[in-house]
Amino acid sequence: HLQLQESGPGLVKPSETLSLTCTVSGDSIGSSSHYWGWIRQTPGKGLEWIGKIHQSGSTNCNPSLKRRVTVSVDTSKNQFSLKLTSVTAADTSVYYCGRYNYGDFIDFWGQGTLVTVSS
Amino acid sequence: QLVLTQSPSASASLGASVNITCTLSSRHSAYAIAWHQQQPEKGPRYLMKVKSDGSHNKADGIPDRFSGSSSGAERYLTISSLQSEDEGDYYCQSWGTATENVFGTGTTVTVL
Repeated sequence: HLQLQESGPGLVKPSETLSLTCTVSGDSIGSSSHYWGWIRQTPGKGLEWIGKIHQSGSTNCNPSLKRRVTVSVDTSKNQFSLKLTSVTAADTSVYYCGRYNYGDFIDFWGQGTLVTVSS
Repeated sequence: QLVLTQSPSASASLGASVNITCTLSSRHSAYAIAWHQQQPEKGPRYLMKVKSDGSHNKADGIPDRFSGSSSGAERYLTISSLQSEDEGDYYCQSWGTATENVFGTGTTVTVL
């Protein structure tokens, strides 16, 4: 069955780059028609879509974060990744990866990983 | 701008039914939505997709007591025979253009 697992540092310093990877098992990113993406959750702002990518390399990002976000895919490792630059305390969140059903809605979620931005 | 509005809370007694509403912004009243459940201290779980005609497609393993429906710009999630494990937050999600993908603010369900 499908599983998604986030990995990466739990602590990032202000102004640095947050980097996370999502490893997929139970589905092949390279042969999938779906998109794969990132969402974050903060107590004050709820759930926020960050960005998503198709195995073809086509990406879509939240316009409010687009300037700082890069989503990439490595089909050979069945992984996709997130980079968020110039982080501040406001980027402290639980970050989830997920599968976007044909690019629309999330039909599978990872378990989430807390990333804290602090010096 | 696509906006989803949810009431902050809903409650019902054990074994009763509870309805949760997600209201689409007026220009987007024909859009489909997805419902997600987040139990305490857990990540979200996809429940179902609900279309404007009220048809819904549930994820595998979701009990029959969870159902979806629609009326105009409103999308509903009904939980019948409420169980203690149904407590948690429920979020709706919708999508439009390639760069439009939004979540509602969530409804906290309490089992009395």
